[in-house]
Amino acid sequence: KAGVTQTPRYLIKTRGQQVTLSCSPISGHRSVSWYQQTPGQGLQFLFEYFSETQRNKGNFPGRFSGRQFSNSRSEMNVSTLELGDSALYLCASSYRGGLGVGELFFGEGSRLTVL
Amino acid sequence: KQEVTQIPAALSVPEGENLVLNCSFTDSAIYNLQWFRQDPGKGLTSLLLIQSSQREQTSGRLNASLDKSSGRSTLYIAASQPGDSATYLCAVREETSGSRLTFGEGTQLTVNP
Repeated sequence: KAGVTQTPRYLIKTRGQQVTLSCSPISGHRSVSWYQQTPGQGLQFLFEYFSETQRNKGNFPGRFSGRQFSNSRSEMNVSTLELGDSALYLCASSYRGGLGVGELFFGEGSRLTVL
Repeated sequence: KQEVTQIPAALSVPEGENLVLNCSFTDSAIYNLQWFRQDPGKGLTSLLLIQSSQREQTSGRLNASLDKSSGRSTLYIAASQPGDSATYLCAVREETSGSRLTFGEGTQLTVNP
Protein backbone atom coordinates (compact mmCIF):
# COMPACT_ATOMS: atom_id res chain seq x y z
CA LYS A 1 0.00 0.00 0.00
CA ALA A 2 1.54 3.29 -1.06
CA GLY A 3 2.14 5.90 1.60
CA VAL A 4 1.54 9.62 1.49
CA THR A 5 3.22 11.10 -1.58
CA GLN A 6 4.38 14.69 -1.74
CA THR A 7 5.72 16.52 -4.78
CA PRO A 8 8.04 18.16 -5.44
CA ARG A 9 10.50 16.99 -2.80
CA TYR A 10 12.79 19.99 -3.16
CA LEU A 11 12.33 23.40 -4.71
CA ILE A 12 14.02 26.76 -4.72
CA LYS A 13 12.12 30.00 -5.24
CA THR A 14 12.89 33.68 -4.94
CA ARG A 15 11.09 36.25 -2.82
CA GLY A 16 7.81 37.40 -4.26
CA GLN A 17 7.18 34.24 -6.27
CA GLN A 18 4.45 31.76 -5.51
CA VAL A 19 4.62 28.01 -5.04
CA THR A 20 2.21 25.08 -5.20
CA LEU A 21 2.85 21.84 -3.34
CA SER A 22 0.96 18.62 -3.93
CA CYS A 23 -0.03 15.77 -1.65
CA SER A 24 -1.59 12.42 -2.50
CA PRO A 25 -2.95 10.68 0.60
CA ILE A 26 -2.96 6.99 1.34
CA SER A 27 -5.60 5.25 -0.73
CA GLY A 28 -8.94 5.40 1.08
CA HIS A 29 -7.92 8.27 3.36
CA ARG A 30 -10.19 11.28 3.10
CA SER A 31 -8.55 13.71 5.50
CA VAL A 32 -5.43 15.66 4.59
CA SER A 33 -3.65 18.11 6.83
CA TRP A 34 -0.59 20.27 6.26
CA TYR A 35 2.21 21.27 8.62
CA GLN A 36 5.19 23.61 8.39
CA GLN A 37 8.44 22.61 10.07
CA THR A 38 11.20 25.12 10.75
CA PRO A 39 14.19 24.98 13.11
CA GLY A 40 12.90 27.96 15.07
CA GLN A 41 9.18 27.22 15.33
CA GLY A 42 9.12 23.44 15.09
CA LEU A 43 6.05 21.79 13.59
CA GLN A 44 3.05 24.05 13.15
CA PHE A 45 -0.40 23.19 11.82
CA LEU A 46 -1.46 24.94 8.62
CA PHE A 47 -4.86 23.52 7.71
CA GLU A 48 -6.96 20.38 7.39
CA TYR A 49 -9.24 19.28 4.57
CA PHE A 50 -11.89 16.61 4.60
CA SER A 51 -14.24 15.84 1.73
CA GLU A 52 -13.01 18.91 -0.18
CA THR A 53 -13.86 21.24 2.73
CA GLN A 54 -11.42 23.08 4.95
CA ARG A 55 -12.24 21.92 8.46
CA ASN A 56 -9.55 23.64 10.48
CA LYS A 57 -6.99 26.37 9.95
CA GLY A 58 -3.85 27.32 11.82
CA ASN A 59 -2.52 30.76 12.58
CA PHE A 60 -0.90 31.59 9.26
CA PRO A 61 -1.40 34.62 7.00
CA GLY A 62 -3.77 34.52 4.05
CA ARG A 63 -0.82 33.97 1.70
CA PHE A 64 -1.09 30.33 2.68
CA SER A 65 -4.02 28.55 1.10
CA GLY A 66 -5.01 25.08 0.13
CA ARG A 67 -7.63 22.94 -1.47
CA GLN A 68 -8.69 19.34 -1.77
CA PHE A 69 -9.97 17.58 -4.83
CA SER A 70 -12.69 14.95 -5.15
CA ASN A 71 -10.05 12.19 -5.21
CA SER A 72 -8.75 13.48 -1.82
CA ARG A 73 -5.52 14.79 -3.31
CA SER A 74 -4.60 18.15 -1.87
CA GLU A 75 -2.55 21.15 -2.87
CA MET A 76 -1.26 24.04 -0.84
CA ASN A 77 -0.20 27.36 -2.27
CA VAL A 78 1.99 30.07 -0.85
CA SER A 79 1.88 33.41 -2.63
CA THR A 80 4.32 36.32 -2.41
CA LEU A 81 7.03 34.19 -0.85
CA GLU A 82 9.13 35.56 1.99
CA LEU A 83 12.49 34.36 3.26
CA GLY A 84 10.77 33.08 6.40
CA ASP A 85 8.66 30.69 4.35
CA SER A 86 11.72 28.48 3.86
CA ALA A 87 10.71 25.26 5.58
CA LEU A 88 9.86 21.61 5.26
CA TYR A 89 6.17 21.32 4.41
CA LEU A 90 4.63 18.08 5.55
CA CYS A 91 1.36 16.55 4.53
CA ALA A 92 -0.48 13.98 6.63
CA SER A 93 -3.45 11.81 5.84
CA SER A 94 -5.92 9.90 7.94
CA TYR A 95 -8.98 7.81 7.27
CA ARG A 96 -11.45 10.21 8.83
CA GLY A 97 -11.45 13.84 9.73
CA GLY A 98 -12.51 15.74 12.80
CA LEU A 99 -12.76 13.94 16.12
CA GLY A 100 -13.13 10.59 14.39
CA VAL A 101 -9.62 10.78 13.04
CA GLY A 102 -7.19 8.18 14.26
CA GLU A 103 -3.57 7.80 13.40
CA LEU A 104 -1.96 10.37 11.14
CA PHE A 105 0.49 9.24 8.48
CA PHE A 106 2.98 11.71 7.11
CA GLY A 107 4.72 12.06 3.77
CA GLU A 108 8.42 12.77 3.24
CA GLY A 109 7.76 16.48 2.85
CA SER A 110 8.54 19.21 0.36
CA ARG A 111 11.57 21.28 1.26
CA LEU A 112 11.15 24.86 0.11
CA THR A 113 14.05 27.27 0.02
CA VAL A 114 13.29 30.94 -0.61
CA LEU A 115 16.22 33.08 -1.77
CA LYS B 1 -3.32 27.26 24.56
CA GLN B 2 -1.90 23.74 24.55
CA GLU B 3 1.86 23.51 25.04
CA VAL B 4 3.88 20.32 24.65
CA THR B 5 7.33 19.95 26.18
CA GLN B 6 9.82 17.16 25.62
CA ILE B 7 12.70 16.38 27.94
CA PRO B 8 15.57 15.91 27.36
CA ALA B 9 16.20 17.85 24.15
CA ALA B 10 19.08 15.54 23.29
CA LEU B 11 20.25 12.19 24.58
CA SER B 12 23.30 10.08 23.78
CA VAL B 13 23.48 6.48 25.01
CA PRO B 14 25.55 3.36 24.35
CA GLU B 15 23.99 0.55 22.36
CA GLY B 16 21.90 -1.87 24.41
CA GLU B 17 20.75 0.63 27.01
CA ASN B 18 17.09 0.99 27.96
CA LEU B 19 15.91 4.59 27.85
CA VAL B 20 12.92 6.80 28.56
CA LEU B 21 11.81 9.89 26.67
CA ASN B 22 9.43 12.29 28.36
CA CYS B 23 6.57 14.38 27.04
CA SER B 24 4.33 16.73 29.02
CA PHE B 25 1.32 18.76 27.96
CA THR B 26 -0.46 21.62 29.67
CA ASP B 27 -4.12 20.92 28.83
CA SER B 28 -5.29 17.45 29.85
CA ALA B 29 -8.39 17.59 27.63
CA ILE B 30 -6.74 15.56 24.89
CA TYR B 31 -8.31 13.11 22.48
CA ASN B 32 -5.15 11.11 21.86
CA LEU B 33 -1.36 11.31 21.82
CA GLN B 34 0.93 10.10 19.07
CA TRP B 35 4.67 9.41 19.09
CA PHE B 36 6.71 9.85 15.91
CA ARG B 37 10.30 9.47 14.83
CA GLN B 38 11.96 11.69 12.28
CA ASP B 39 15.22 10.91 10.53
CA PRO B 40 17.29 13.85 9.24
CA GLY B 41 15.67 15.49 6.22
CA LYS B 42 12.80 13.01 6.24
CA GLY B 43 9.13 12.99 7.10
CA LEU B 44 7.54 11.66 10.27
CA THR B 45 7.07 7.96 10.94
CA SER B 46 4.24 7.07 13.32
CA LEU B 47 5.37 4.87 16.19
CA LEU B 48 2.48 4.61 18.62
CA LEU B 49 -0.96 6.14 19.09
CA ILE B 50 -2.55 6.21 22.54
CA GLN B 51 -6.20 7.11 22.93
CA SER B 52 -7.11 9.24 25.95
CA SER B 53 -8.87 6.26 27.54
CA GLN B 54 -5.77 4.06 27.30
CA ARG B 55 -2.84 3.87 29.69
CA GLU B 56 -0.23 2.39 27.38
CA GLN B 57 0.57 0.96 23.97
CA THR B 58 3.34 -1.41 22.93
CA SER B 59 5.01 -2.13 19.63
CA GLY B 60 8.08 -4.33 19.60
CA ARG B 61 10.78 -2.70 21.74
CA LEU B 62 8.68 0.43 22.19
CA ASN B 63 6.24 1.11 24.99
CA ALA B 64 4.36 4.37 25.42
CA SER B 65 2.41 5.29 28.51
CA LEU B 66 -0.10 8.06 29.08
CA ASP B 67 -1.19 9.74 32.31
CA LYS B 68 -3.79 12.14 31.05
CA SER B 69 -4.65 13.66 34.42
CA SER B 70 -1.07 14.69 35.11
CA GLY B 71 -0.39 15.67 31.49
CA ARG B 72 2.45 13.24 30.90
CA SER B 73 3.53 10.55 28.48
CA THR B 74 6.69 8.50 28.31
CA LEU B 75 8.24 6.52 25.47
CA TYR B 76 10.31 3.58 26.66
CA ILE B 77 12.82 2.08 24.24
CA ALA B 78 14.28 -1.26 25.25
CA ALA B 79 17.69 -2.53 24.21
CA SER B 80 18.49 0.51 22.07
CA GLN B 81 20.26 0.07 18.71
CA PRO B 82 22.20 2.49 16.49
CA GLY B 83 19.27 2.36 14.06
CA ASP B 84 17.11 3.98 16.75
CA SER B 85 19.09 7.21 16.32
CA ALA B 86 16.60 9.87 15.25
CA THR B 87 14.50 12.70 16.62
CA TYR B 88 11.46 11.54 18.56
CA LEU B 89 8.40 13.78 18.63
CA CYS B 90 5.25 13.56 20.66
CA ALA B 91 2.05 15.25 19.55
CA VAL B 92 -1.34 15.67 21.19
CA ARG B 93 -4.74 16.06 19.62
CA GLU B 94 -7.15 18.02 21.76
CA GLU B 95 -10.81 17.17 22.15
CA THR B 96 -11.87 20.25 20.22
CA SER B 97 -9.12 20.54 17.61
CA GLY B 98 -10.16 18.02 14.98
CA SER B 99 -7.09 16.45 13.46
CA ARG B 100 -4.84 19.34 14.46
CA LEU B 101 -1.78 18.07 16.33
CA THR B 102 0.30 20.14 18.72
CA PHE B 103 3.90 18.95 18.66
CA GLY B 104 6.72 19.09 21.13
CA GLU B 105 10.18 20.20 20.05
CA GLY B 106 11.46 16.64 20.04
CA THR B 107 14.24 14.63 21.65
CA GLN B 108 17.29 14.00 19.47
CA LEU B 109 18.51 10.50 20.30
CA THR B 110 21.94 9.14 19.40
CA VAL B 111 22.72 5.50 20.10
CA ASN B 112 26.45 4.81 19.92
CA PRO B 113 27.75 1.39 18.76
